[in-house]
Amino acid sequence: AQKITQTQPGMFVQEKEAVTLDCTYDTSDQSYGLFWYKQPSSGEMIFLIYQGSYDEQNATEGRYSLNFQKARKSANLVISASQLGDSAMYFCAMSLITGGGNKLTFGTGTQLKVEL
Amino acid sequence: DAGVTQSPTHLIKTRGQHVTLRCSPISGHKSVSWYQQVLGQGPQFIFQYYEKEERGRGNFPDRFSARQFPNYSSELNVNALLLGDSALYLCASSRDRGEAFFGQGTRLTVV
Repeated sequence: AQKITQTQPGMFVQEKEAVTLDCTYDTSDQSYGLFWYKQPSSGEMIFLIYQGSYDEQNATEGRYSLNFQKARKSANLVISASQLGDSAMYFCAMSLITGGGNKLTFGTGTQLKVEL
Repeated sequence: DAGVTQSPTHLIKTRGQHVTLRCSPISGHKSVSWYQQVLGQGPQFIFQYYEKEERGRGNFPDRFSARQFPNYSSELNVNALLLGDSALYLCASSRDRGEAFFGQGTRLTVV
């Protein structure tokens, strides 16, 4: 079974600063994918970034980067130059890569608040 | 290109009734998965379909069922609704592997 742990229920960051949201995972499988999603109060789950377990380089998407440390089983999300619109709930998730799509296991989320 | 679309966006049902939720994946995506998100929690996996076959089922009672159609759209059915079924129901589509994209969700309220 897979497990995702997000130990930060809430985080505060000042506008224009960088912030790191922590995520650790547990799986005995070698082939898996790691995901980060943003969920504003409207409820929509917005895809941010994806990292495959065999990808050698850390994934980046604009202001988002995933700090993937396989030996430590961590997949932290780094948001650079925070904006007020980044205030939302952030979920880390994983899925085994077995072909045929994704079955995502989610963490409990981190509520991020960006302040002026 | 259109993203994942779910319908309806909001729904109010009475205990004991039946509900059908619908999801259309992104064009070219053959996999659909369903999740239930209760207020204050992370989404919980319900079903996964790929090429019209069930590939996974979460820990939900038999009152929950789903199917995928030849055009890869999907339906989630819930029978004999309970108050505890009130939640945001999310559908995600993906290719064979890689990124998974969600629809805006269906917010179900059971009264």
